[in-house]
Amino acid sequence: AQSVTQPDIHITVSEGASLELRCNYSYGATPYLFWYVQSPGQGLQLLLKYFSGDTLVQGIKGFEAEFKRSQSSFNLRKPSVHWSDAAEYFCAVAAGTGTASKLTFGTGTRLQVTL
Amino acid sequence: DTAVSQTPKYLVTQMGNDKSIKCEQNLGHDTMYWYKQDSKKFLKIMFSYNNKELIINETVPNRFSPKSPDKAHLNLHINSLELGDSAVYFCASSQVETEAFFGQGTRLTVV
Repeated sequence: AQSVTQPDIHITVSEGASLELRCNYSYGATPYLFWYVQSPGQGLQLLLKYFSGDTLVQGIKGFEAEFKRSQSSFNLRKPSVHWSDAAEYFCAVAAGTGTASKLTFGTGTRLQVTL
Repeated sequence: DTAVSQTPKYLVTQMGNDKSIKCEQNLGHDTMYWYKQDSKKFLKIMFSYNNKELIINETVPNRFSPKSPDKAHLNLHINSLELGDSAVYFCASSQVETEAFFGQGTRLTVV
C-alpha cells in the first residue's frame, strides 16, 4: 500500500528566507505526486504536481518541487517565503489508475512565518 | 464561479441526528470523492464515484452513505451521528489520472 511521510510537523522560517518541506513516499509503481496547501478555514489548493517528465516541477506562488526516484522524495521549495505562505502543506501520492485514483496524504507540515 | 462547492460550510448537530452534506462540481469531471479530515488534520479518502458508480469505498461505517444523482453531484448522508464523526469533510473532483480539485470543506460538529 502507498504511504507518504512528512517528517516535519511544524516549521518556522523568517520572511524572505528560503524554505524546504520534506516529503517521502512509498509506492510500487511510478507515482503521481502532489503538493497541496491549506490556509486556515480553507479548502485544499493544488500547488504543483508531478506525473512524468522533467523531475523539477514549477508550481503556483513561486513554489517548486523536485522528484528524486532514488530517494523516494518529492521535496517542496521556495527561495523566499512571504508572510502569506503561512499555512498547512500536504504532500500526496495518487494510487490507482483508470476511472478513479485515490490520494494518500502525508500528515502535513504547518509553516509559520515570522516577520 | 466556484468549481467545487459544498453546503453547508458549518454544521452543528446533536448526537443521534441524521444530516446530509451536498457537493456540486461544474468542472465537467467524471470522478468525485469524499475525504475526511480529522482533528489532527489527517486527510483520508472515504468514497469515490465515477459517472454515478461507486468505485472506492474505504472502511467507513455503514451510517455513512454517499449518493450521486448525476456525475456533477455527490452528496453524503450520515445517520445516527456520533461524537467521533466531528471532522471536516471535503468533496473533490477530478478527471482520470489528473489532479483533484477540492471544495472548501464542511466542518461538522456533533454535540
